[in-house]
Amino acid sequence: EPEVTQTPSHQVTQMGQEVILRCVPISNHLYFYWYRQILGQKVEFLVSFYNNEISEKSEIFDDQFSVERPDGSNFTLKIRSTKLEDSAMYFCASGGAGARERGYTFGSGTRLTVV
Amino acid sequence: GNSVTQMEGPVTLSEEAFLTINCTYTATGYPSLFWYVQYPGEGLQLLLKATKADDKGSNKGFEATYRKETTSFHLEKGSVQVSDSAVYFCALPGGTSYGKLTFGQGTILTVHP
Repeated sequence: EPEVTQTPSHQVTQMGQEVILRCVPISNHLYFYWYRQILGQKVEFLVSFYNNEISEKSEIFDDQFSVERPDGSNFTLKIRSTKLEDSAMYFCASGGAGARERGYTFGSGTRLTVV
Repeated sequence: GNSVTQMEGPVTLSEEAFLTINCTYTATGYPSLFWYVQYPGEGLQLLLKATKADDKGSNKGFEATYRKETTSFHLEKGSVQVSDSAVYFCALPGGTSYGKLTFGQGTILTVHP
């Protein structure tokens, strides 16, 4: 079964450093998403990406965050200057045509720890 | 916008007990409804779905019925196993066409032998 792949599985970074979280969505999918889950809390939407541009973003997704699909296969989330409160599990997800009915496929997540 | 309310956890059961996790929703129109499961240390996996009123989604012994009258999508399993220990999330797509998911708070299920 096709998978969404995320790397790294765990990243530790110093406060103020830039991090890039990487995702390889399912190849024929059209819609791409980033979510985050702070430990013990609910899964929160960050951003959706369609047709090579951001289609929707939450209030969490401020100027410190950016997304790219640089080469047609990778989908990255960059945090420019990490803060302690950015520590969370970050999930990438993708969906194909009809995903609103069929569901979306999530990666295994990247656990980001900011120290 | 669309929203979902899920019963607070955690839920602790003995093996072979009956499970219900409540989920109610508020939505424009009749979106598909989903249950996702997160096993310890893993990502989110789609457990089951229902696309219209009165549909019953089922998978791995779990069931949920899309109830329009009560705006509910409760998750049930007749006999839980230790391996069902996980966090369960009810979810539905948002109101826009780009389909972001809105998740419930998550319910931690622990099953003891």
